Amino acid sequence: DQQVKQNSPSLSVQEGRISILNCDYTNSMFDYFLWYKKYPAEGPTFLISISSIKDKNEDGRFTVFLNKSAKHLSLHIVPSQPGDSAVYFCAASFGNQFYFGTGTSLTVIP
Amino acid sequence: GAGVSQSPSNKVTEKGKDVELRCDPISGHTALYWYRQSLGQGLEFLIYFQGNSAPDKSGLPSDRFSAERTGGSVSTLTIQRTQQEDSAVYLCASSLDLAGVTDTQYFGPGTRLTVL
Repeated sequence: DQQVKQNSPSLSVQEGRISILNCDYTNSMFDYFLWYKKYPAEGPTFLISISSIKDKNEDGRFTVFLNKSAKHLSLHIVPSQPGDSAVYFCAASFGNQFYFGTGTSLTVIP
Repeated sequence: GAGVSQSPSNKVTEKGKDVELRCDPISGHTALYWYRQSLGQGLEFLIYFQGNSAPDKSGLPSDRFSAERTGGSVSTLTIQRTQQEDSAVYLCASSLDLAGVTDTQYFGPGTRLTVL
């Protein structure tokens, strides 16, 4: 059973606009959430994280929002740049285990 | 500095053969994870090593899968009697994992396993 879900397999956004990637989870025990970015033929790289005690974390153009009541996580990228085109995975953690979504492929159109 | 490295980058094998995949974590990282990504699936947790503690094997899909970590550094993931459904990209990650605090993981480039 998929405990972390990314329901949009792909997303296209114009350069300069906002990209919003969404993630839903089912396990209320998750206490740490992360976003990873993956280019083809490379391993995922860490992007940004948030603890369950917060509802927002910002790092430059990237902001992660956490809505615990809705069990929903989102990543906002603004402004979007062509170099942001990649697959984005969200992950949730409880203890030593990490559960990943299936990824959303973001294409930023110049 | 050097990141996480994995070898081989690609492995093609015949059904029923055994394979070994290697991971060299970042020096000083005490935690090491193995994941796999099958086509159209998310990253699937397989096993977790932390220092000299017994590994968390709860994610291993069957008893054909095993992993070792020698000297708290290099890890080998072994798949015995490979099946076609084992075809996937196998990713290794390491982290500092100090004092039980969740830490960001640094991933290797992965090994693409194809079982014919």
